[in-house]
Amino acid sequence: GAGVSQSPSNKVTEKGKDVELRCDPISGHTALYWYRQRLGQGLEFLIYFQGNSAPDKSGLPSDRFSAERTGESVSTLTIQRTQQEDSAVYLCASRERLAWGKTTDTQYFGPGTRLTVL
Amino acid sequence: ELKVEQNPLFLSMQEGKNYTIYCNYSTTSDRLYWYRQDPGKSLESLFVLLSNGAVKQEGRLMASLDTKARLSTLHITAAVHDLSATYFCAVDSLLSSGSARQLTFGSGTQLTVLP
Repeated sequence: GAGVSQSPSNKVTEKGKDVELRCDPISGHTALYWYRQRLGQGLEFLIYFQGNSAPDKSGLPSDRFSAERTGESVSTLTIQRTQQEDSAVYLCASRERLAWGKTTDTQYFGPGTRLTVL
Repeated sequence: ELKVEQNPLFLSMQEGKNYTIYCNYSTTSDRLYWYRQDPGKSLESLFVLLSNGAVKQEGRLMASLDTKARLSTLHITAAVHDLSATYFCAVDSLLSSGSARQLTFGSGTQLTVLP
């Protein structure tokens, strides 16, 4: 596809359940970010993947949040034992990494997954 | 900790008018981005400003960056209804690991252009 895709687009779950969100980055983009956007607010950084390097998890709000990415492909964000405060739109973005180790300057965002925890 | 503040948070303006959105940030950075978000949609990149004094224009929107003042502006000229959206500025900063950069976003400015 031409852009970043995410699934599902909407997810409603009950408090205490686990959810898994998926992101397909733009082909060839080695850098991948997850963000959270609460209603009416800006984006909060969650986690960053770059190729096969260890991810930067510094933005994850608690140990209930985890993410995986295999190589430079799909990433999944998992939230365990969901709480109502986890309700938000979760956005994924990818960024190209040029051959000589520099990234281009634009992150391309997916459409997001709207998570509602009842 | 880097803080990014936008103002106003809400802006209602009439078609044909001019207005400016301001983005202040708290620590040194030489990269600033403006994004547009339509309701229920993802973010669309508008401008990337990479140096002090950078100015970029696209249609009725013009963005500028003053790294010394830690200020970016998004100026809207002769607004039209199609510009109604939420506009975010975001400042580039290093991740705590130092491995790469992340974006720290402002809270957004919800712009409504009235006919």
